Amino acid sequence: GAVVSQHPSWVICKSGTSVKIECRSLDFQATTMFWYRQFPKQSLMLMATSNEGSKATYEQGVEKDKFLINHASLTLSTLTVTSAHPEDSSFYICSEGGGPSDTQYFGPGTRLTVL
Amino acid sequence: AQSVAQPEDQVNVAEGNPLTVKCTYSVSGNPYLFWYVQYPNRGLQFLLKYITGDNLVKGSYGFEAEFNKSQTSFHLKKPSALVSDSALYFCAVRPGAGSYQLTFGKGTKLSVIP
Repeated sequence: GAVVSQHPSWVICKSGTSVKIECRSLDFQATTMFWYRQFPKQSLMLMATSNEGSKATYEQGVEKDKFLINHASLTLSTLTVTSAHPEDSSFYICSEGGGPSDTQYFGPGTRLTVL
Repeated sequence: AQSVAQPEDQVNVAEGNPLTVKCTYSVSGNPYLFWYVQYPNRGLQFLLKYITGDNLVKGSYGFEAEFNKSQTSFHLKKPSALVSDSALYFCAVRPGAGSYQLTFGKGTKLSVIP
C-alpha cells in the first residue's frame, strides 16, 4: 500500500504558539489528503479534506482560521495549529485518499501536547 | 448520511481461539467497507476492504471479513488469535466510488489473553 509519513511524530509547545505538522505521500501523488483528530480512546474525527492547489474543505465545527491547511504540492500537505491552547492537545493523523486503489492510507500520527 | 456501528467497546479472547469483531453500517448505495488496526500511539494500518465481488474478503495477518448485505454487516474474523493481535480495530465505510471520505466506527479494543 501507499506510504504516508508525518513530521514531527510528537511535539510539545507552549500555549499561544503555532505548530506545523507535515504530511507526505512518499510513493504516490495525492491530490486529496485528509486530516483527522483523535482524542484518547475515541475514534477518528475528520477535520478537513485537503485538495492540492485549492482551499481545504473543513468539516462543520472545525475552525479554519485555527487549523490552517496547505496542500501546495501533490506530495505534501501541512496542518498548522495557530495560537495553540491546551484543549488542542490531541493526536493528529493524516491520510492520502486520491489513489486508484480506493484505499485510504494513514500516516503514523502526530501527538501534540500544549502546555 | 452514512454511519458505522461497532457494538462492542472491548473484546477479550484467549490466544488460539477464533475472534470476531462486529461491525454494522448504514449507507445509501453500494458501500465500500474497510477494516483498520491501530496500535498505541500509531496511525491506522489497513487490514482489508470490500468493494465488490466475493463476500468473504481476506486481508493482512490472517484476518478476514464477511460482507452481509441483508444484515448490513461486515464482521472481522480470525480463526486463531495471537497475543500480538491485541490492538484497537476500526471499521469504516464510504459511499462507493467518487467520494473518498470515510466514516469510522468508534473502535473496538481487542485483547488476546495468553
